[in-house]
Amino acid sequence: DAKTTQPPSMDCAEGRAANLPCNHSTISGNEYVYWYRQIHSQGPQYIIHGLKNNETNEMASLIITEDRKSSTLILPHATLRDTAVYYCIVSSSNTGKLIFGQGTTLQVKP
Amino acid sequence: KAGVTQTPRYLIKTRGQQVTLSCSPISGHRSVSWYQQTPGQGLQFLFEYFSETQRNKGNFPGRFSGRQFSNSRSEMNVSTLELGDSALYLCASVRMDRAGETQYFGPGTRLLVL
Repeated sequence: DAKTTQPPSMDCAEGRAANLPCNHSTISGNEYVYWYRQIHSQGPQYIIHGLKNNETNEMASLIITEDRKSSTLILPHATLRDTAVYYCIVSSSNTGKLIFGQGTTLQVKP
Repeated sequence: KAGVTQTPRYLIKTRGQQVTLSCSPISGHRSVSWYQQTPGQGLQFLFEYFSETQRNKGNFPGRFSGRQFSNSRSEMNVSTLELGDSALYLCASVRMDRAGETQYFGPGTRLLVL
């Protein structure tokens, strides 16, 4: 599975958009980009995933560059409850295996 | 749909004992993955079961084992517990569709080994 690189921490003002970057320069053609978040001591929460196209759901948007070597998770209107560790993971299907890195700690401030 | 259920939520054991943790996946999901989370090592993949067969395995010693039943419920067992096995054990219910695999995590079982 390809390795991802994320900044260790980021701050965001409440109500503003939070843009979390992720580099995955060694991603292969059959690997998806997944985003999860983990609020302290809880199980990771699925946010969104994509293969090539940009994706949007009720929680967030995922922007994947055309060469697929990087992506950005966008939380359009961050709230204090979005404070969490955000994990960007690259994984192929049918493995049941996610490799978690250190993630980005997002602190949303009032 | 009900979410992923893990029991028990908290557990205290002593070194040398064994422990069994249980996971009930989301209805209709046939695959379950298990993970260990510690402050030092982060979230690490243990193994994955699909239709009662172990399909993938992480880099853990043989003391860690699991199984899956015909109703997709899964158990994991750790024998001869060590202090370093203290961790949050997470189970994920895996949905498979045209958009690939999506894992939905349970709340975890927090194990403390004394």
